[in-house]
Amino acid sequence: QAVVTQEPSLTVSPGGTVTLTCGSSTGTVTSGHWPYWFQQKPGQAPKTLISDTTNKHSWTPARFSGSLLGGKAALTLSGAQPEDEADYYCFLYYSGVRVFGGGTRLTVL
Amino acid sequence: EVQLVQSGGGLVAPGESLTLSCAASGFTLTGAWVTWVRQAPGKGLEWVGRFERKSDGGTTDYGAPVKGRFTFSKDDSKNTLYLQMNSLKTEDSAVYYCFTAMTWGHGALVTVSS
Repeated sequence: QAVVTQEPSLTVSPGGTVTLTCGSSTGTVTSGHWPYWFQQKPGQAPKTLISDTTNKHSWTPARFSGSLLGGKAALTLSGAQPEDEADYYCFLYYSGVRVFGGGTRLTVL
Repeated sequence: EVQLVQSGGGLVAPGESLTLSCAASGFTLTGAWVTWVRQAPGKGLEWVGRFERKSDGGTTDYGAPVKGRFTFSKDDSKNTLYLQMNSLKTEDSAVYYCFTAMTWGHGALVTVSS
């Protein structure tokens, strides 16, 4: 089974910009992996931020954006807010199954 | 309001079975893909599987750890999707979430212990 990799932790200053990445052990991540990004705060169910690489939902703050960057899927947060402190997970599609990354704990400090 | 209401979690012994429910309100499950994921205490998310919407074939896919033991089914009259879990193992202990493109359920805790 493929392994999906994410940064274990990142820190961003309030108002700053940070990019979280999602890589694949099989090689370059493409739109055909249909990358999703999820946000989870302590004690809460996850929330879908981005689907299919770039698609935002009505509840996704405008400061979040999804892309493909350097062979990986990427989630960019521009103008970080204290409430963005959370765990972020991606998952990728591989021929019928999806695999989660280990998650990135984002600290806004 | 669009929501998924989950039920059916609990404590079971290894080898036993349990069924989780994921009931939709505010929208129809027949038009939705439903994905299940789980999260063991203090751990990350793990993909359990997906139930495809009828218009896309209504097929199901399962993650390797649960394939052959877990099965999805749906009752359109109740607008509810079920996750039947058989031959449960201690490593299946987790909070199980269902979600669609529109929303997530609140989760159901499954504890497998003797």
